[in-house]
Amino acid sequence: DAMVIQNPRYQVTQFGKPVTLSCSQTLNHNVMYWYQQKSSQAPKLLFHYYDKDFNNEADTPDNFQSRRPNTSFCFLDIRSPGLGDAAMYLCATSRETRTLIYGYTFGSGTRLTVV
Amino acid sequence: AQKITQTQPGMFVQEKEAVTLDCTYDTSDPSYGLFWYKQPSSGEMIFLIYQGSYDQQNATEGRYSLNFQKARKSANLVISASQLGDSAMYFCAMRGMDSSYKLIFGSGTRLLVRP
Repeated sequence: DAMVIQNPRYQVTQFGKPVTLSCSQTLNHNVMYWYQQKSSQAPKLLFHYYDKDFNNEADTPDNFQSRRPNTSFCFLDIRSPGLGDAAMYLCATSRETRTLIYGYTFGSGTRLTVV
Repeated sequence: AQKITQTQPGMFVQEKEAVTLDCTYDTSDPSYGLFWYKQPSSGEMIFLIYQGSYDQQNATEGRYSLNFQKARKSANLVISASQLGDSAMYFCAMRGMDSSYKLIFGSGTRLLVRP
């Protein structure tokens, strides 16, 4: 089945130690998104890629970076994780940005713990 | 700017009964899309149902239906014949030009189905 896969499901990292979360998709969607979701809160968009074009949200901290080496893969890099970065990180895809009909397809998420 | 409001942080429902989860939205866009997602404790975001702003009929998908009242700017989710597996967090979301077509979420409603 076509899907969005996030690895790992659970990630424990040390305070200040760089960490990378990965997302892959078999849907051939041209847009990929990264959301941060803290406990009992709504998901918050960090950034998205439209094809190779990177789009950062205005309030996304510089500590968060992203890479998309090809259509299928997208990575979230946290350069120096702080305790406040502990959250669920959700990857999502969609066919294109300027559409109302298509929702997003989400991965299962990576739950990040910072110790 | 677009905004989604879910006023019920938590709700209980008896198994096999119907339940309505409230969602109101605010937008100046004439054209937009409304979505409901289910998020179990495992974390993945599962698409349930979609309603377009120009759709004349309320959307239905199996046990899920969307009570769309455009003039009131409400898009309530109705789950009929609740099952224990329906216990989860439910998010209302929308896309439109106001949000640059990005999916924005309400704060969510936690539903607990009692046996």
